[in-house]
Amino acid sequence: GQQLNQSPQSMFIQEGEDVSMNCTSSSIFNTWLWYKQDPGEGPVLLIALYKAGELTSNGRLTAQFGITRKDSFLNISASIPSDVGIYFCAGLSYSGGGADGLTFGKGTHLIIQP
Amino acid sequence: GAGVSQSPSNKVTEKGKDVELRCDPISGHTALYWYRQSLGQGLEFLIYFQGNSAPDKSGLPSDRFSAERTGGSVSTLTIQRTQQEDSAVYLCASSLVGLAGYANTGELFFGEGSRLTVL
Repeated sequence: GQQLNQSPQSMFIQEGEDVSMNCTSSSIFNTWLWYKQDPGEGPVLLIALYKAGELTSNGRLTAQFGITRKDSFLNISASIPSDVGIYFCAGLSYSGGGADGLTFGKGTHLIIQP
Repeated sequence: GAGVSQSPSNKVTEKGKDVELRCDPISGHTALYWYRQSLGQGLEFLIYFQGNSAPDKSGLPSDRFSAERTGGSVSTLTIQRTQQEDSAVYLCASSLVGLAGYANTGELFFGEGSRLTVL
């Protein structure tokens, strides 16, 4: 099946620092999505990207759909304590597989040190 | 309610017992997904329903796991003869995919999960 390599696995940063994480795959995806999971909650969609090369911002979050359609990154600027959580990338393939074509990365644990 | 509702939120059971986990999706959502998340780990896909049918059961770990969905709404995930390795958070999600005019966008709405502990 399709697999996503998400890195880093965890990040320990200081409040106010910028954060960068990415996902890569050997497979092409039609849509890239980024979800965030707060402790004790289910994941929530942050950003969805639908076209290769697309760069989308949502407040302090910026994400890009790679030109090759095999990767995506998520940046968070000026991190704040509520940014703590697990960030998941997800790729959607119209050719199916997995959960109706949707594959999740293993997540990036973001920990902010005071 | 407005969101995906799961029950119970926490379940502690003894090894060998059967458990049922329930998911009530967002009203009108045709697709329903079950995922498993072990402590500190990623999302493991279990099963996906489109209406009452499960086109993809490939993620179910063993024949002790089964799921059904009735009336295109509520779904139940059943784990028979639970083992300690079944301990995890079981997450349910729903989406509009499959409804006329709604293509699969990958946008899932997750519940808060059911935390299962097998002693």
